[in-house]
Amino acid sequence: EDQVTQSPEALRLQEGESSSLNCSYTVSGLRGLFWYRQDPGKGPEFLFTLYSAGEEKEKERLKATLTKKESFLHITAPKPEDSATYLCAVRWIVNEKLTFGTGTRLTIIP
Amino acid sequence: NAGVTQTPKFQVLKTGQSMTLQCAQDMNHNSMYWYRQDPGMGLRLIYYSASEGTTDKGEVPNGYNVSRLNKREFSLRLESAAPSQTSVYFCASSEGAGALDTQYFGPGTRLTVL
Repeated sequence: EDQVTQSPEALRLQEGESSSLNCSYTVSGLRGLFWYRQDPGKGPEFLFTLYSAGEEKEKERLKATLTKKESFLHITAPKPEDSATYLCAVRWIVNEKLTFGTGTRLTIIP
Repeated sequence: NAGVTQTPKFQVLKTGQSMTLQCAQDMNHNSMYWYRQDPGMGLRLIYYSASEGTTDKGEVPNGYNVSRLNKREFSLRLESAAPSQTSVYFCASSEGAGALDTQYFGPGTRLTVL
């Protein structure tokens, strides 16, 4: 069964302390990988789409990268406003179904 | 430009009651979706509409019905609510139903079934 696993479940960082979030997936053929940010009580907000291994996308303090079996969301010098849950979702080649991970809850402490 | 809007924001039902969740988008998108989000689980697709006039089941359709009223609006109906349907419901839309079309989400409806 196609699976998407995000780690860690939760991460607490000091303001300015850089880190990475991981999204791994079963290697059955990826059409695209999506990253979303979700604030408490709100809907997911689109961040990035990655299509092929080696691709990178950046937005402010966030950079998303993709390999053949996982994606990383790198957060550089985070600020408290970066606190949120980050979701990844994978679109599979075989059935084009979109599968979401359970998310990483990121807290940035001032 | 409001994007995707949902009503109501919160709802409490008793077991067996019915209700309809409303969703509208102003982005002229062709495809619309309904998801539910439960603690410890990823977003799961209930139903989707690839284009006006079509609807299809997703991963967890039992207990739900949908109506694509027009290009802008897509409603989700619970005919006889059950406690297992307590969840947060999100509507989303995308330009098309293609593999790489980005889905944009509404703010959600928090539903509690007693």
